[in-house]
Amino acid sequence: GEDVEQSLFLSVREGDSSVINCTYTDSSSTYLYWYKQEPGAGLQLLTYIFSNMDMKQDQRLTVLLNKKDKHLSLRIADTQTGDSAIYFCASVRRDSSYKLIFGSGTRLLVRP
Amino acid sequence: DAGVIQSPRHEVTEMGQEVTLRCKPISGHDYLFWYRQTMMRGLELLIYFNNNVPIDDSGMPEDRFSAKMPNASFSTLKIQPSEPRDSAVYFCASSSPGDRRLLAKNIQYFGAGTRLSVL
Repeated sequence: GEDVEQSLFLSVREGDSSVINCTYTDSSSTYLYWYKQEPGAGLQLLTYIFSNMDMKQDQRLTVLLNKKDKHLSLRIADTQTGDSAIYFCASVRRDSSYKLIFGSGTRLLVRP
Repeated sequence: DAGVIQSPRHEVTEMGQEVTLRCKPISGHDYLFWYRQTMMRGLELLIYFNNNVPIDDSGMPEDRFSAKMPNASFSTLKIQPSEPRDSAVYFCASSSPGDRRLLAKNIQYFGAGTRLSVL
């Protein structure tokens, strides 16, 4: 079945780059997303990438997509303490269901 | 727009009681999703609606759970009777996928969630 997997935890020092990785199994995924969840809040869309792209950059965020390996990554440049949160990778299928498949989330801790 | 609005933010109840969670989607969005988040199981899709009609309720755990969407601006998730294992954060999300012919992106906008504790 469909599955999205992420590592559970990442700790970086403030000012360093963070790289959060995700793998997915459904090759028919059309869009892939990164959501951010801060403590006590809902999920907020950070960025997304269409499956025919291999890279997307948005200010400090860079998304890389390797379709052959079904691997997605989110790089945060110059990581700040405000970036500490849980980051979810998600995919949506090509069919009309519009159901997102979420990973388990990666908790990013930024140390001062 | 105020975004997706959920109420209450926190609910504490005793086992066996009925619990009703409420959601107001973003105006104009025609899809509404209910999710449950727990440490053990992560984020689970319970049910989703399109144009107020339930499309897929395969994620609803038991008959104790029911969801309704009487109009485009309101949905409820009801648990009756509630059990301690229902304790979780429940999220509502809405989206407007747009033109399907273009395989339009499906950005879901989440509410702040309702933290439910069943004692």
